[in-house]
Amino acid sequence: DIQMTQSPSTLSASVGDRVTITCRASQSISNWLAWYQQKPGKAPKFLIYKASILESGVPSRFSGSGSGTEFTLTISSLQPDDFATYYCQQYKTYPYTFGQGTKLEIK
Amino acid sequence: QVQLVESGGGVVQPGRSLRLSCAASGFTFSAYGMHWVRQAPGKGLEWVAVMWYDGSIRYYADSVQGRFTISRDNSDNTLYLQMNSLRAEDTALYYCARDSTIAAGPLDYWGQGTLVTVSS
Repeated sequence: DIQMTQSPSTLSASVGDRVTITCRASQSISNWLAWYQQKPGKAPKFLIYKASILESGVPSRFSGSGSGTEFTLTISSLQPDDFATYYCQQYKTYPYTFGQGTKLEIK
Repeated sequence: QVQLVESGGGVVQPGRSLRLSCAASGFTFSAYGMHWVRQAPGKGLEWVAVMWYDGSIRYYADSVQGRFTISRDNSDNTLYLQMNSLRAEDTALYYCARDSTIAAGPLDYWGQGTLVTVSS
């Protein structure tokens, strides 16, 4: 199985900050990577696919990059609505696997 | 608009069975792969199972292989998860999610989940 490792596990930041979350795969997944946002008590929301393509309706302050085994999710200027937990997920092969999540907290 | 509504969760004793359902609407159900993903209380997301758009292929997580069965009724736009020999570690919120393709893509729509608690 492909292991996905996110860092950091928790990130404290302020509104307006630029933040980056890293996701590493245990083997190459090309660009078969998605990012999701989850708020407390809510279902995950699909943000990015193929490592860097924003899903329709996702604000342009979100961006993704990477290929192979290392990927990043960047939020260019944090908004109050962005404080949530973020998960990466590989869909190169089954079983699909998620990172353990990164909780983005208000500083 | 796409809607996925899970049902069937509840409290069940270890070793017993439960069947979850996911009613889909707002899209051509038979054209998309469908998944179950679970989240234990306070924990991260764990992929559970997938069924191809036409029901021809299924995959399972090792943790549920041989105990859980995913199925679908394309005439009724419903996805199922039959869970047998339940264990305490199966306690989680179970989400139904749509694959963005026939079953080889990311999960673009999610239901709100149904809670399964395995406890004596």
